[in-house]
Amino acid sequence: GAVVSQHPSRVICKSGTSVKIECRSLDFQATTMFWYRQFPKQSLMLMATSNEGSKATYEQGVEKDKFLINHASLTLSTLTVTSAHPEDSSFYICSAREPEGKKTDTQYFGPGTRLTVL
Amino acid sequence: AQRVTQPEKLLSVFKGAPVELKCNYSYSGSPELFWYVQYSRQRLQLLLRHISRESIKGFTADLNKGETSFHLKKPFAQEEDSAMYYCALSGPGSGNTGKLIFGQGTTLQVKP
Repeated sequence: GAVVSQHPSRVICKSGTSVKIECRSLDFQATTMFWYRQFPKQSLMLMATSNEGSKATYEQGVEKDKFLINHASLTLSTLTVTSAHPEDSSFYICSAREPEGKKTDTQYFGPGTRLTVL
Repeated sequence: AQRVTQPEKLLSVFKGAPVELKCNYSYSGSPELFWYVQYSRQRLQLLLRHISRESIKGFTADLNKGETSFHLKKPFAQEEDSAMYYCALSGPGSGNTGKLIFGQGTTLQVKP
């Protein structure tokens, strides 16, 4: 089946620094990827839709200048948390959607990245 | 507004007992409904979707448009079914991007 990877799996950084998280579709091309945030014992909250070759679409309440998304190729999307603060500490999960036209139109999820901001 | 509600945070049953994980949704239109599962220390994965009308690992779910529900059922729970289950919704209102709206999740605990 399709595999989505994330790197790093875990990152600890100091307050005020920026952190980049990568999401890759390993064996398929994904024109659309999604970024979610998950707080402990809570559901996944969609942050933004990442579209290859165009600007990301952010959900209401998500600061686009804070969470920069770049979808530079059909297999890679990156999320950069800029000037991170402790309240940004969370579990960030990406997913990649199968190409349009595929019958199943399934999303495949990455393993997540645990961000801790000190 | 689009919304998915899973009223139970935790459902605990004994092995061999029937299981029903509840999911209700709010959507103006014809959504597509999914169940995702997350086993301990593993990534989220698709369990089933309503358009497939299939049974996966003994689980089934029927979309009831009248009650706006998509409950997940299994007649005889197994210990390996213990996991977090999320109900999710996607629809044309999502701008055809396929974005998913997730419920709060239900932890299923199957005791021996």
